[in-house]
Amino acid sequence: EPEVTQTPSHQVTQMGQEVILRCVPISNHLYFYWYRQILGQKVEFLVSFYNNEISEKSEIFDDQFSVERPDGSNFTLKIRSTKLEDSAMYFCASNGQLGETQYFGPGTRLLVL
Amino acid sequence: AQSVSQHNHHVILSEAASLELGCNYSYGGTVNLFWYVQYPGQHLQLLLKYFSGDPLVKGIKGFEAEFIKSKFSFNLRKPSVQWSDTAEYFCAVNARGAAGNKLTFGGGTRVLVKP
Repeated sequence: EPEVTQTPSHQVTQMGQEVILRCVPISNHLYFYWYRQILGQKVEFLVSFYNNEISEKSEIFDDQFSVERPDGSNFTLKIRSTKLEDSAMYFCASNGQLGETQYFGPGTRLLVL
Repeated sequence: AQSVSQHNHHVILSEAASLELGCNYSYGGTVNLFWYVQYPGQHLQLLLKYFSGDPLVKGIKGFEAEFIKSKFSFNLRKPSVQWSDTAEYFCAVNARGAAGNKLTFGGGTRVLVKP
């Protein structure tokens, strides 16, 4: 069964550094998403992406965040200058059509020191 | 904006006991409803979903959920749990027809099934 994959599984970085989290959505999916979960808190929506454009973004997704689909398979989340409060588990998801089930990757645990 | 609340943060029960997890949502329009499960060390997986039709939906592993529109609820049930049902369970909604299609999650319920 096709799966969403994410790399790396864990990342430790220093405050102020840039990080890029990578995701490979399911191959025939068209809609892509990033969510995050700070330890002990809810899973929160960050951004959705379709047709090489951001469809919707949350208040969390400020100028420090960006997303890109650099080729036909990868979908990346970049945090330009990480802050301590960016420490969280970041999940990528994808689906084939609006409203359909979103399939989640295993997550990247980001720790900002 | 939509919001989702799950009533219990932690549930502990013995094998063969029945499980019911509460979920209520707040949104003025029509929603799609989901229950996801996260087993220890694994990623979020879909248990079941409701889009339309019969409000009682059956999912994988013997789980079911009932959508009660008048109560804005989508409670998850399993008549007899197993040790392998130990996991965190998340209720989620998205607004039907919304351009971005984002999911809004509840806070999750950690379920521990004692053997």
